[in-house]
Amino acid sequence: DGGITQSPKYLFRKEGQNVTLSCEQNLNHDAMYWYRQDPGQGLRLIYYSQIVNDFQKGDIAEGYSVSREKKESFPLTVTSAQKNPTAFYLCATTGGRRDTEAFFGQGTRLTVV
Amino acid sequence: AQSVTQLGSHVSVSEGALVLLRCNYSSSVPPYLFWYVQYPNQGLQLLLKYTSAATLVKGINGFEAEFKKSETSFHLTKPSAHMSDAAEYFCAVSEAYSGGGADGLTFGKGTHLIIQP
Repeated sequence: DGGITQSPKYLFRKEGQNVTLSCEQNLNHDAMYWYRQDPGQGLRLIYYSQIVNDFQKGDIAEGYSVSREKKESFPLTVTSAQKNPTAFYLCATTGGRRDTEAFFGQGTRLTVV
Repeated sequence: AQSVTQLGSHVSVSEGALVLLRCNYSSSVPPYLFWYVQYPNQGLQLLLKYTSAATLVKGINGFEAEFKKSETSFHLTKPSAHMSDAAEYFCAVSEAYSGGGADGLTFGKGTHLIIQP
């Protein structure tokens, strides 16, 4: 089935560690996005990529990094510079046209221990 | 710049009652508007979307929304609430033209719908 796979579903990080969240899609979509979700704050855009080997910062990019070496993959690294990383992270894709909806993965819940 | 305001972080209705979730948007160009639903610890699922065709849009699970340009609103309704409708609902806007700046959808903060038995 076509879709977006995020892994792992749950992730625990110690203080000072970098962790990488995986997002893979087989929808053949050009655009991919990472959102952070905190209770009562909706979804906030971290990074997005419209094409392979290119990506742009969103509203809250500090402490995060991404890569887009393949069309299918858009991993997000949460670095030690992110002071409050505990959140629910959602990966999404769109076909690139503004009248098309976003498709979401099932999310990764990251907790700092 | 585009923005979305969802009135009411929590809405409680009785089973069988009308559901009304409010969404107002701000956009400098014709918008595309979306409603998504999210169940606990899951991703978002599209309920319906407005893309400049009919102003009354019907979606899945009996939901519908009406685009009112004069009121800059896109409220979500369902005639009769069901227990399975309990979830978080997000309104989102995407501008029709690319004017630079951040891409992607802009989301409201969400409305948690509670269904009372």
